[in-house]
Amino acid sequence: GAGVSQTPSNKVTEKGKYVELRCDPISGHTALYWYRQSLGQGPEFLIYFQGTGAADDSGLPNDRFFAVRPEGSVSTLKIQRTERGDSAVYLCASSRASGGETQYFGPGTRLLVL
Amino acid sequence: ELKVEQNPLFLSMQEGKNYTIYCNYSTTSDRLYWYRQDPGKSLESLFVLLSNGAVKQEGRLMASLDTKARLSTLHITAAVHDLSATYFCAVVEETSGSRLTFGEGTQLTVNP
Repeated sequence: GAGVSQTPSNKVTEKGKYVELRCDPISGHTALYWYRQSLGQGPEFLIYFQGTGAADDSGLPNDRFFAVRPEGSVSTLKIQRTERGDSAVYLCASSRASGGETQYFGPGTRLLVL
Repeated sequence: ELKVEQNPLFLSMQEGKNYTIYCNYSTTSDRLYWYRQDPGKSLESLFVLLSNGAVKQEGRLMASLDTKARLSTLHITAAVHDLSATYFCAVVEETSGSRLTFGEGTQLTVNP
């Protein structure tokens, strides 16, 4: 079946601009996660949703970052006033439920802030 | 704060040889995952280890978990070039519920 999909695959923006990154999880998966991966590093947790609600947003670096999942399926990660340090690959993952189920990752969105 | 450390970070080996990658973590957990990442690609799930003493094998890769030592190993048997990739271990902290904390990754290169 279809895996996790993310759009766009690449995004180039200028410092100070607003960006939205989209994630479409595997059908039927109730848990959705966002991670950020910098070059040469392991992914770092940002936020996770169980259904429509953010169950854990402790990884969001500051209030410029926000994510929504209004209908419990597709999620959007929103970054305001982008900074060069936000450049990274943003990975989305989903799982059938929370609490230890395997997380399946999408291909990522490569964000470059100039 | 949960810390996950892998070693080595870089591994170059000859085809046909055996080697082990180590993953240590700092707090109590009974769920450990191994992922593979090819350059420019996303993460592929390899193994889920859910209890002390768990051992999983797939092809030339075998993973084990010792929760008392807070240690997991990924053993490579008779390496082949196709295994060249970066391997990550990731741990779910008992109190966190679901978020994964990843190690830095081990970049494996298998030379003919």
